[in-house]
Amino acid sequence: GAGVSQSPRYKVAKRGQDVALRCDPISGHVSLFWYQQALGQGPEFLTYFQNEAQLDKSGLPSDRFFAERPEGSVSTLKIQRTQQEDSAVYLCASSFGTSGRGGIQYFGPGTRLLVL
Amino acid sequence: AQSVTQLDSQVPVFEEAPVELRCNYSSSVSVYLFWYVQYPNQGLQLLLKYLSGSTLVKGINGFEAEFNKSQTSFHLRKPSVHISDTAEYFCAVKPTGKLIFGQGTTLQVKP
Repeated sequence: GAGVSQSPRYKVAKRGQDVALRCDPISGHVSLFWYQQALGQGPEFLTYFQNEAQLDKSGLPSDRFFAERPEGSVSTLKIQRTQQEDSAVYLCASSFGTSGRGGIQYFGPGTRLLVL
Repeated sequence: AQSVTQLDSQVPVFEEAPVELRCNYSSSVSVYLFWYVQYPNQGLQLLLKYLSGSTLVKGINGFEAEFNKSQTSFHLRKPSVHISDTAEYFCAVKPTGKLIFGQGTTLQVKP
């Protein structure tokens, strides 16, 4: 079946612009995660949804970052007034169950954001 | 707090040679452990996981890892690497829902 998809794959933004990144999880997956991967680094957790509820947003770096999943499937990560330090790959992952410790997270290909 | 340390940022190795990628973690609670691989311009793919039971875990593409609780390690090994194994490898722990990743190790397989 189809895996996790993300769009756009690449995004170039001018500093100060708003951007929206989309994630389509695997159908039926309850949990959805967003991670940020800076160049040469491991992914870092941003936020977590269980269905439409955002249960953990402790990793969002500032109030310019906002995520939603209004119908419990597709999710959008929005970054307002982008800064150069926001340049990174944004990864989305989904898993079948709730955030149980053994749940396997399946990753999308990521959106590479470059802020000029 | 939990953290993951991957001891080598780059590991060069010749084709058909064995390889070990090292991973140490720290955690105040029991954790689940994972290795993911990332090929250029792609997302992360799960190689293997340790949840419980046997400490020697076998994964895809001939990789295996051994969980050592006393040394808080989860090193990844492969007895004979191929050119196609060239990629970035990430060790991760999962104390609760989110994954906590190490910095990654670049495996460079040379012909």
